[in-house]
Amino acid sequence: EAQVTQNPRYLITVTGKKLTVTCSQNMNHEYMSWYRQDPGLGLRQIYYSMNVEVTDKGDVPEGYKVSRKEKRNFPLILESPSPNQTSLYFCASSLSTGFYNSPLHFGNGTRLTVT
Amino acid sequence: DAKTTQPPSMDCAEGRAANLPCNHSTISGNEYVYWYRQIHSQGPQYIIHGLKNNETNEMASLIITEDRKSSTLILPHATLRDTAVYYCIVRVIQGAQKLVFGQGTRLTINP
Repeated sequence: EAQVTQNPRYLITVTGKKLTVTCSQNMNHEYMSWYRQDPGLGLRQIYYSMNVEVTDKGDVPEGYKVSRKEKRNFPLILESPSPNQTSLYFCASSLSTGFYNSPLHFGNGTRLTVT
Repeated sequence: DAKTTQPPSMDCAEGRAANLPCNHSTISGNEYVYWYRQIHSQGPQYIIHGLKNNETNEMASLIITEDRKSSTLILPHATLRDTAVYYCIVRVIQGAQKLVFGQGTRLTINP
């Protein structure tokens, strides 16, 4: 089944403890992206990647890192999490960057709480 | 990318057609209209998209006015599982590498 898989689904951590949220897609998609969703602020893009070893900042990249060493994986790294990074995170992928001939597919989300 | 305006909430009876409007009066000729939905806190799900012509797929129909300043998403026979937040998004074909999600319309299907 074609899908975007995020892990973990839920994560509670403490301030400053490095963590990684994994994202994997099995559709051979070139484009991958991370969004965060907060009440009243909607979905905001954190980082995106147009292909292997090609990543770029989205609207809210501060405090996050990403890497794209393989086409299928796009992990989100929080080197020193802070409480303002408590949020619902979504990974997404698309066959190409145009989106008009390949919809954006989203994972089921990771709910992160930083205390 | 053009901005969109959607009603914050709508109700529809189960089995009836749900018609969700979207205003995009500043849309330009090379901008597509996309519809996604988000059920509870799941990841957004693609529904349909179009440029000028009306479009239909297994999930819904998209009606775009002739001047392209507004569109309507139609769920022909709404079920309780269609209760979700529906997002109308306008994007240039080769624009910024993201989709901009607004606040959407919270559609509630009532039994």
